[in-house]
Amino acid sequence: GAGVSQTPSNKVTEKGKYVELRCDPISGHTALYWYRQSLGQGPEFLIYFQGTGAADDSGLPNDRFFAVRPEGSVSTLKIQRTERGDSAVYLCASSRSRSDTQYFGPGTRLTVL
Amino acid sequence: TQLLEQSPQFLSIQEGENLTVYCNSSSVFSSLQWYRQEPGEGPVLLVTVVTGGEVKKLKRLTFQFGDARKDSSLHITAAQPGDTGLYLCAGPGNRAGSYQLTFGKGTKLSVIP
Repeated sequence: GAGVSQTPSNKVTEKGKYVELRCDPISGHTALYWYRQSLGQGPEFLIYFQGTGAADDSGLPNDRFFAVRPEGSVSTLKIQRTERGDSAVYLCASSRSRSDTQYFGPGTRLTVL
Repeated sequence: TQLLEQSPQFLSIQEGENLTVYCNSSSVFSSLQWYRQEPGEGPVLLVTVVTGGEVKKLKRLTFQFGDARKDSSLHITAAQPGDTGLYLCAGPGNRAGSYQLTFGKGTKLSVIP
């Protein structure tokens, strides 16, 4: 079956703009995670969804970041008033349930000019 | 905060050589995972070690979990160019359900033909 897919693969935007990043998890996976990977770093946890609800958003850096998963499948990470420091690869992962193996998508590379 | 330190940060070796990379922490982890990440892709799980002192082999790769469950190592025998990539270790966070992964910064391995 298909793996986790993310769109777009690359996004270039200007400082202050709004962006949306999309994640399509593996079919049937109830748990979905967003991570951010800055250059030279490992992925850092942002938010975890169990079904439609954000069970843990403790990793979101500030209130400019928001994520939704309205039907328990596709998720969108939204960033308002982007800053240059937001430039990174945003990774999405899904798992069959909490604590199961997480499968990662290829990521969206966000560049804020 | 649980931190994972990986060493070396960069490693460049000739095809056929052996190598070991390390993942260390001052915290005890219930398990540790090793991932490999190639450019433009998300991390792919290689192995999970759970028991202190455990050794797991995956073809030419040997993974070891320290007796105290604070450290792990990855040994590659007779490295091949296809082994090139970023090797990440990760452990579950403190939150119930262990879904939040904490990653090290990774070891970037280059195997020269």
